[in-house]
Amino acid sequence: TQLLEQSPQFLSIQEGENLTVYCNSSSVFSSLQWYRQEPGEGPVLLVTVVTGGEVKKLKRLTFQFGDARKDSSLHITAAQPGDTGLYLCAGASSGGGADGLTFGKGTHLIIQP
Amino acid sequence: GAGVSQSPSNKVTEKGKDVELRCDPISGHTALYWYRQSLGQGLEFLIYFQGNSAPDKSGLPSDRFSAERTGGSVSTLTIQRTQQEDSAVYLCASSVVGGGIWNEQFFGPGTRLTVL
Repeated sequence: TQLLEQSPQFLSIQEGENLTVYCNSSSVFSSLQWYRQEPGEGPVLLVTVVTGGEVKKLKRLTFQFGDARKDSSLHITAAQPGDTGLYLCAGASSGGGADGLTFGKGTHLIIQP
Repeated sequence: GAGVSQSPSNKVTEKGKDVELRCDPISGHTALYWYRQSLGQGLEFLIYFQGNSAPDKSGLPSDRFSAERTGGSVSTLTIQRTQQEDSAVYLCASSVVGGGIWNEQFFGPGTRLTVL
């Protein structure tokens, strides 16, 4: 069974601060995705990383895939209240099967104005 | 364009009753997924459809859970003899093709099920 551990579980910081969220596993994934979920809604895909060591930027968000494709991080620069939400990482099976994604439990992020 | 829709948005039922949850995927998406999200938790994979067939039912928690998909479109998730531990948000997602490293899934808003 592939497991993804996310840390921290909860994070509350002031507007303008920087933060990093981690997603770790002992398993290798063919790709890793980051989703953001707001209350009452389904998750929305932010980014997919595929290559070990890959870095992708989405405005103030920087995503990195570990060299061994077992872990990933999300760094937010100058956090804004609009960044508040549940951030989920999800791994796609390295076996190339058509399984559902394996999700971490998420990081609840609150950005206080 | 229209996204993934789910109905009902909320369902309150009594323990022991059967419930049926519906998912309308994005038109043209061949893959459909059901997940369950308990309060404060991540998503638990339940079942995956490629067209009308379900090659992966490994996530269904018990034989009280079943799902079907017809016409390569609408899917229903049925829970028989509901138990209180079935209370959760049930999310449906669809993607253009199933599996693969890109596997971008588009989620519906979910059905919040409460079993009293």
